Amino acid sequence: GAVVSQHPSWVICKSGTSVKIECRSLDFQATTMFWYRQFPKQSLMLMATSNEGSKATYEQGVEKDKFLINHASLTLSTLTVTSAHPEDSSFYICSARELRWDTGELFFGEGSRLTVL
Amino acid sequence: GQNIDQPTEMTATEGAIVQINCTYQTSGFNGLFWYQQHAGEAPTFLSYNVLDGLEEKGRFSSFLSRSKGYSYLLLKELQMKDSASYLCAVRDSDYKLSFGAGTTVTVRA
Repeated sequence: GAVVSQHPSWVICKSGTSVKIECRSLDFQATTMFWYRQFPKQSLMLMATSNEGSKATYEQGVEKDKFLINHASLTLSTLTVTSAHPEDSSFYICSARELRWDTGELFFGEGSRLTVL
Repeated sequence: GQNIDQPTEMTATEGAIVQINCTYQTSGFNGLFWYQQHAGEAPTFLSYNVLDGLEEKGRFSSFLSRSKGYSYLLLKELQMKDSASYLCAVRDSDYKLSFGAGTTVTVRA
């Protein structure tokens, strides 16, 4: 299957700082990537759809000014959590769709666990 | 939007069979996926259904009935490593994937 790499895997930061998470498609080009957030013992919630070369599309209730998404190339999307607060502590997962696969399944990155102190 | 329901927890014995049901209500159905997720890890793809019927893949099978808004994942010959959360996910016409809350399966010796 296709490979999606996410970095960093773990990050701990102080309240009020900003954190950037990178998502890369290693062996395919991804015009669209998706960012999910997962709180403990809950399912994945779609935050936004990242589109290469254009603005991201955010789901209802997700603050676009707080969660900045940039998709500058066909293999890289970044999520920046600005002015992070403890309630932003979560597991953030990116995914991408590999168009060569008929199923159109999503391939997920390893996830980034953010802890805000 | 999507409304996806699946049981919270299931427990079974090693070697047994487990069926995880998933019901959904959707606007613009474009496929149903099952993913496995171990604690602290990202989900991994298990199966995909877009047409009615049964898809078999080794010890795992998945069934879909679009008219009933119903799917199930069947796990056969359970192994200890199958203890995980199983996520039912529905894709819409924009290729956005919405996930159910997940079913935690515990396999006991």
